[in-house]
Amino acid sequence: AQKVTQAQTEISVVEKEDVTLDCVYETRDTTYYLFWYKQPPSGELVFLIRRNSFDEQNEISGRYSWNFQKSTSSFNFTITASQVVDSAVYFCALSGGSGSARQLTFGSGTQLTVLP
Amino acid sequence: DVKVTQSSRYLVKRTGEKVFLECVQDMDHENMFWYRQDPGLGLRLIYFSYDVKMKEKGDIPEGYSVSREKKERFSLILESASTNQTSMYLCASRFPQTGGRYGYTFGSGTRLTVV
Repeated sequence: AQKVTQAQTEISVVEKEDVTLDCVYETRDTTYYLFWYKQPPSGELVFLIRRNSFDEQNEISGRYSWNFQKSTSSFNFTITASQVVDSAVYFCALSGGSGSARQLTFGSGTQLTVLP
Repeated sequence: DVKVTQSSRYLVKRTGEKVFLECVQDMDHENMFWYRQDPGLGLRLIYFSYDVKMKEKGDIPEGYSVSREKKERFSLILESASTNQTSMYLCASRFPQTGGRYGYTFGSGTRLTVV
């Protein structure tokens, strides 16, 4: 069975602070994919990143960066110089590599509030 | 862009009613999913379908059924709605990408209230 844990239920920061959202996963698949989604107050899920299990390079996209560490089964997400528009619920998700396990398994989400 | 459309944004139904939530994707994708989202629980998989008339139970199928008569449409059915089924329901479609990868796209959600 797959499992994703986002231990931080809510985080509140002041604008321009850096913030890291934690994600720990469990899977028996040797090939899998990790995702981060953003859900603003409008409710739509916005895709942010996908990472393959065989690619452990960290990735940076503007103010966003992701740290994938297979050794600790973690895929953490950092927002640098946070902005009010970053306020949203962020979900980490996992998808297995084959067969029916390809459904997305989500963590419980982290509510990020960025205060002006 | 891949588009997944959920027919209703908000629904209010009475306890005991039969409820249909509709989801349509416009790109001939084989795999479609229904999730339920509740505060503090994230998104939980109810059912998914990997082809026409093919379906599998997810993590929380009790009280729900699904129908996939055409590839583009995946319906979630609440046979007899109950108040504990008040929730946000999200439909998703999985689509292939280059290099054997795949992505997911989600509908905008249906917020169902059962009174």
